[in-house]
Amino acid sequence: GAVVSQHPSRVICKSGTSVKIECRSLDFQATTMFWYRQFPKKSLMLMATSNEGSKATYEQGVEKDKFLINHASLTLSTLTVTSAHPEDSSFYICSGTSGPGEQFFGPGTRLTVL
Amino acid sequence: GEDVEQSLFLSVREGDSSVINCTYTDSSSTYLYWYKQEPGAGLQLLTYIFSNMDMKQDQRLTVLLNKKDKHLSLRIADTQTGDSAIYFCAEVGSGGYNKLIFGAGTRLAVHP
Repeated sequence: GAVVSQHPSRVICKSGTSVKIECRSLDFQATTMFWYRQFPKKSLMLMATSNEGSKATYEQGVEKDKFLINHASLTLSTLTVTSAHPEDSSFYICSGTSGPGEQFFGPGTRLTVL
Repeated sequence: GEDVEQSLFLSVREGDSSVINCTYTDSSSTYLYWYKQEPGAGLQLLTYIFSNMDMKQDQRLTVLLNKKDKHLSLRIADTQTGDSAIYFCAEVGSGGYNKLIFGAGTRLAVHP
């Protein structure tokens, strides 16, 4: 099956710094990638949808200037959490798809902001 | 708006069947999915069902869909300890084929 990787798997940073998370589709071209955030014991909340080569579409309530998404190629999307604060600590999961149908999920990145 | 609801917790004995239930609101959903998440990991697609089907069976997994009641269930036969995980029901949202709306997840605990 299709594989999506995320890097890093775990990151701890100081408050006020920025953190970049990479999402890669390893064996397929992901025309669309999604970024989700998962709080403890909660469901996945869609943050944004990104299509290769165009600006991401953010869900209501998600600050686009805080969560910068870049989808420069068909195999890579990045999420940068700018000026991170403790309330940004969460589990971030990406997924990719090459068309209508199944989304393939990455293993997630746990961000802890001190 | 679109919403997917699940019970939060289910405990079963090893060897018994598990049934996880889900209700959804968007009657136009063409696909409905079941995902499994193990601790600290991403989501793994278990199975999906097209909206024009009532049932789908895949080895130990059986999915039942009642479109009239907007009810979806996942039955796991002969539940094993390795089945312990969180199970998410998801429907395709109005944003298109690729926008998924997830339920809160059902935590399945399997005990000996």
